Amino acid sequence: TQLLEQSPQFLSIQEGENLTVYCNSSSVFSSLQWYRQEPGEGPVLLVTVVTGGEVKKLKRLTFQFGDARKDSSLHITAAQPGDTGLYLCAGEMDSNYQLIWGAGTKLIIKP
Amino acid sequence: KAGVTQTPRYLIKTRGQQVTLSCSPISGHRSVSWYQQTPGQGLQFLFEYFSETQRNKGNFPGRFSGRQFSNSRSEMNVSTLELGDSALYLCASSLVRDTGWGNEQFFGPGTRLTVL
Repeated sequence: TQLLEQSPQFLSIQEGENLTVYCNSSSVFSSLQWYRQEPGEGPVLLVTVVTGGEVKKLKRLTFQFGDARKDSSLHITAAQPGDTGLYLCAGEMDSNYQLIWGAGTKLIIKP
Repeated sequence: KAGVTQTPRYLIKTRGQQVTLSCSPISGHRSVSWYQQTPGQGLQFLFEYFSETQRNKGNFPGRFSGRQFSNSRSEMNVSTLELGDSALYLCASSLVRDTGWGNEQFFGPGTRLTVL
């Protein structure tokens, strides 16, 4: 079974704090995508990481792909209320173009 | 460039009825995927169509079906609706790359289906 385990499932923190969301699997992915979904809308792609060990930054968000391409993390520095949302990771398999989705991390940033 | 559009946005049906949802992908995108999203189960993959052919399928009963037209527009049908089918149904289109990776999903706003 191809699984992508995402943790934590829920996180509620104060504005200004830092946080990290993890996405782990025993499978190797050709790429790992991170999405953010706000209530009433569809998920929106934040970033795609492709190379093992790759680090990408999007303002206060830092994304890392594990060296073995089995795991990824999303780190937010100085979180703001606008970061509130559901964060989803999705791994792309080499074999069949299908994305394997994590269960999501519901993030609430309190002012 | 226009985004992915889904119609209708909201739908209320009763048990036993059937429903058809529509999705228009981003121009040039030939892959369309459908997902069911519920608070308890998260985002569940239904199926993916590419060039009018179903390329991948999730673990859903045969009551859930879909199709894709030559213009890449897609429809999803659910027959004999059950209470548990109440969910947000999301459609996503993708530009399939020659590299085989980087097939990012561009989602529509979803159709909120309520089954009474």
